[in-house]
Amino acid sequence: GAVVSQHPSWVICKSGTSVKIECRSLDFQATTMFWYRQFPKQSLMLMATSNEGSKATYEQGVEKDKFLINHASLTLSTLTVTSAHPEDSSFYICSARDRDRYEQYFGPGTRLTVT
Amino acid sequence: AQSVAQPEDQVNVAEGNPLTVKCTYSVSGNPYLFWYVQYPNRGLQFLLKYITGDNLVKGSYGFEAEFNKSQTSFHLKKPSALVSDSALYFCAVRVATLNAGKSTFGDGTTLTVKP
Repeated sequence: GAVVSQHPSWVICKSGTSVKIECRSLDFQATTMFWYRQFPKQSLMLMATSNEGSKATYEQGVEKDKFLINHASLTLSTLTVTSAHPEDSSFYICSARDRDRYEQYFGPGTRLTVT
Repeated sequence: AQSVAQPEDQVNVAEGNPLTVKCTYSVSGNPYLFWYVQYPNRGLQFLLKYITGDNLVKGSYGFEAEFNKSQTSFHLKKPSALVSDSALYFCAVRVATLNAGKSTFGDGTTLTVKP
């Protein structure tokens, strides 16, 4: 149990285009979802926290208009990187937690490369 | 504010020897403590958690951790290391609130187990 999927696993896009990443909890209801960014050999940087049906809460320094997060249902959250630039290239990881769990469960990550 | 420190960037052990990955924390209130493991180009996998009760908690793959309130530590241990344990390990903490609150992650410790 407690599986989180993420799609796509990797994506290459051209500078200026937008990319959508999906995060799904497969066997539980994710009342809270988190989006992280991770640089090579570094820790997770929390970008935003979203609760189902509410607007996402962004961390300081994260541009909400650039990283659009939608938590439309208890099993799906999406992160859209708008007008992507090469500096947005990174490993993006989603995580989910429900009201009955203390721990978070993580998706497998999405490797984004912007050329 | 809450914080986590993993004082060692790298831990090297020989296969069959015991391993310890250190973690100390700072939080206002009762902590929830977690260990996660990350393999290359993958998301994080949950290993174990301390919520309340026995200070020694056992988790996946033979790992265990001991909660020490006086030393504000939650070190990860395994009696006999395997080469397959080689990975990046993250300690995390958050305040004891089930339905809210975000976790703070340490910077990670790379464990290398040599044959």
